[in-house]
Amino acid sequence: DAKTTQPPSMDCAEGRAANLPCNHSTISGNEYVYWYRQIHSQGPQYIIHGLKNNETNEMASLIITEDRKSSTLILPHATLRDTAVYYCIVRVHGSSNTGKLIFGQGTTLQVKP
Amino acid sequence: DTAVSQTPKYLVTQMGNDKSIKCEQNLGHDTMYWYKQDSKKFLKIMFSYNNKELIINETVPNRFSPKSPDKAHLNLHINSLELGDSAVYFCASSSLQGRPAFGPGTRLTVT
Repeated sequence: DAKTTQPPSMDCAEGRAANLPCNHSTISGNEYVYWYRQIHSQGPQYIIHGLKNNETNEMASLIITEDRKSSTLILPHATLRDTAVYYCIVRVHGSSNTGKLIFGQGTTLQVKP
Repeated sequence: DTAVSQTPKYLVTQMGNDKSIKCEQNLGHDTMYWYKQDSKKFLKIMFSYNNKELIINETVPNRFSPKSPDKAHLNLHINSLELGDSAVYFCASSSLQGRPAFGPGTRLTVT
């Protein structure tokens, strides 16, 4: 079962920041927080991941709370092409279940003009 | 260059037939996966192979038989196809510490 909880849907105005929350209250010390997105039945696309520090790349920023029980994915300037289902996943690196991603229902982000 | 590729992209077949989906990755990863996404859009892992050995089988019916001839390939053979097998099947690969990369998917329709 997925170990994360996300709102089922969110709207965002084009050009504004999209803030997608995720709860992972049972996260273990060796589990990373990963974010993927899926645009209209394409293959899931990696966005960003982190362990405890905030992370930023060319696509997004990831803010992880100090207790690591929740995180927020930030798309700084959302465009219509960012409309997708966003998945927050916790994952252990290098375990015997090597790299398995367990997807929840995700958040459907609708970016509106 | 495509990192994770799958063939075919679309597959339409009748109940009872046997079909295969092929997956190849050129990322040098040692672990490969098959995921199934049903009509309700839930993505569920089916199998995982590490260095050609099966390490995860998520209680998938034995009509599904993955085969890994080498680290770069993981094919999925399905016997006696049923209506409920209709779904999009995604292949993925990763290294031990790296993030999984997904293929474009194969849409299987069983009529």
